Amino acid sequence: QLQLQESGPGLVKPSETLSLTCTVSGDSISSSSYYWGWIRQPPGKGLEWIGSIYYSGSTYYNPSLKSRVTISVDTSKDQFSLKLSSVTAADTAMYYCSRRRKTTRYFDYWGQGTLVTVSS
Amino acid sequence: QSVLTQSPSVSGAPGQRVTISCTGSSSNIGAGYDVHWYQQLPGTAPKLLIYGNSNRPSGVPDRFSGSKSGTSASLAITGLQAEDEADYYCQSYDSSLTGGGVFGRGTKLTVL
Repeated sequence: QLQLQESGPGLVKPSETLSLTCTVSGDSISSSSYYWGWIRQPPGKGLEWIGSIYYSGSTYYNPSLKSRVTISVDTSKDQFSLKLSSVTAADTAMYYCSRRRKTTRYFDYWGQGTLVTVSS
Repeated sequence: QSVLTQSPSVSGAPGQRVTISCTGSSSNIGAGYDVHWYQQLPGTAPKLLIYGNSNRPSGVPDRFSGSKSGTSASLAITGLQAEDEADYYCQSYDSSLTGGGVFGRGTKLTVL
């Protein structure tokens, strides 16, 4: 059974960089059939796709966040990571990592999520 | 920044049937891309409920069904149960979002 687990600081100061890691277990991240992505959900609001990465390292970002987002992958550890720079209170959200099927384009597995609060 | 439009809320009594709609545009649903649905129970991560417009993953009751027509899609829930009370999100692909997806704002289902 595939499992995804987010980890990282729950509190980040304004203007700093948010950093999260997703650890995949139960399957290899090095599959040609999937993208590995980050999705966030501000408190009381809807879901927003942040970006995705392919095992080869190819990255895809939401245009609205592209200038501040970096996603990387470490296939040796079955992990992928998110960095979001210059954060503000608007970046306070539950951050989920997820697996997206490459051709059918749905997110079939999700991590439990980690709440990141931006505050001084 | 949601590109897919959903009604904010819907309600129904136990045993009833409710539908949740999702409207997109010519760059996503109307372009022929599939619609998928997720159920988010309070305090939990979203869970895939319907994929490919009308397919249910293993373990999802057949009380849940999906359909798509033109630039819109619908999720129907029959025989409503208390445990169905949740937020429901539609998702599709948009040609501007390679590798990702676009979500609706979500519909809160209240079981009366």
